Formats: sequence, structure tokens, C-alpha cells
Amino acid sequence: QKEVEQDPGPLSVPEGAIVSLNCTYSNSAFQYFMWYRQYSRKGPELLMYTYSSGNKEDGRFTAQVDKSSKYISLFIRDSQPSDSATYLCASTHNNAGNMLTFGGGTRLMVKP
Amino acid sequence: KAGVTQTPRYLIKTRGQQVTLSCSPISGHRSVSWYQQTPGQGLQFLFEYFSETQRNKGNFPGRFSGRQFSNSRSEMNVSTLELGDSALYLCASSLGTLEGYTFGSGTRLTVV
Repeated sequence: QKEVEQDPGPLSVPEGAIVSLNCTYSNSAFQYFMWYRQYSRKGPELLMYTYSSGNKEDGRFTAQVDKSSKYISLFIRDSQPSDSATYLCASTHNNAGNMLTFGGGTRLMVKP
Repeated sequence: KAGVTQTPRYLIKTRGQQVTLSCSPISGHRSVSWYQQTPGQGLQFLFEYFSETQRNKGNFPGRFSGRQFSNSRSEMNVSTLELGDSALYLCASSLGTLEGYTFGSGTRLTVV
């Protein structure tokens, strides 16, 4: 079993919809949580970063972490066709430097 | 501000050969990490270098090695290439915090 699990999708939604992307993790030592967006033929781009349970909002994006259930979510409001990409969640230990453990990624398609 | 630069972008090698990939981090970044991305296994951590020293290592065979130079540029080497080494190899650099963790666009390696 992978330490970070993510539904691969694809997830197809109409433009303007609210998108919910989810990950679960099994390692209790994970303290930092990130969401990356990856377009085709590009490297991952950091969207959200958090280290505490609760919600963190940035524009149309909200990251939610529930450490008690080891559950990570990313919500995208008013989704746009330009949001079509693969979304990756990642976690790291509190003392593992920059060694990230990634979920497998969810492919999102937002249709005009 | 220049991003993380990886060269070459595409590479085709024959089984049994060796290959060297290069990564130039963002100016001032002293940490460089390498990841392998495949459709089956997703993004997997290879190793991290900080100030020319390997700080973390993932679970890959010894055929995968790396180094970092005094100017923070990094190279990774894969010897005795196998078909399964075909992947997108991504490099990420940072000042030391996860928020500044920036990926390059990767080198697409195909082993035939």
C-alpha cells in the first residue's frame, strides 16, 4: 500500500463547478501537506502548502487537512477550463528535509 | 527570474547504456532534489543534495546516482539502463523551505 493514496480519475466537470480532490495518507509522521498542479509536458507547480489541520484558502483554492483521519482535500471554486490538469497531493515528515511523498495524481478536465 | 533548468528535454538511449541528466537550480537555491515520474508508480523521490552533500536518498538501486557542484548545479547518472528506467526525471530546487520548492520541466528519457 502506498503511503499517500489518490483517486486517479479522470474527473470531468462543467465550467463553474466546485471541484473536490482528495487524498488519504497512512504515515502519522507526515506533518506538511502540499497540492501541486501539473500540466502536460510540464513539471509540477505548487498550489497550496499547509502544516496544520484545518482550512487554508488562496483565491479559488482551499486546502483542507484532517490529521485525525489522515485526509487531505483540495477544493476549486468556479472551475475554469484552464484548471484542466493533473493534481498531485504530497506529504513529508517533519525531519525529512525536502523528501516529498506524492499521491498518484488525479486528472481533472473542466469542460466549457 | 530564471526557473529550474533541466537539460536535455528529451533523450533516447539503448538498454545497457548510461545517461547523465543535468539540473541548474534557481539562483541562490542550495537544495536540489530529483524525482522519477512514471505512469505506473507516479512521482518517486530519488535523492536530495544540499551544499554538495547527499542529504536524503529514496529507494532506488545503486545504478542511480547523483552529485552536486559548488555552484549548486546537479547531475544525476543512471548506469546500465533498463527499459523500466523510461520516465520523466524531474529536478526541484529550494532555499530550504517547502514553500519555495520549484520543479523544472523535466527530462523525458526513453530506453529502447
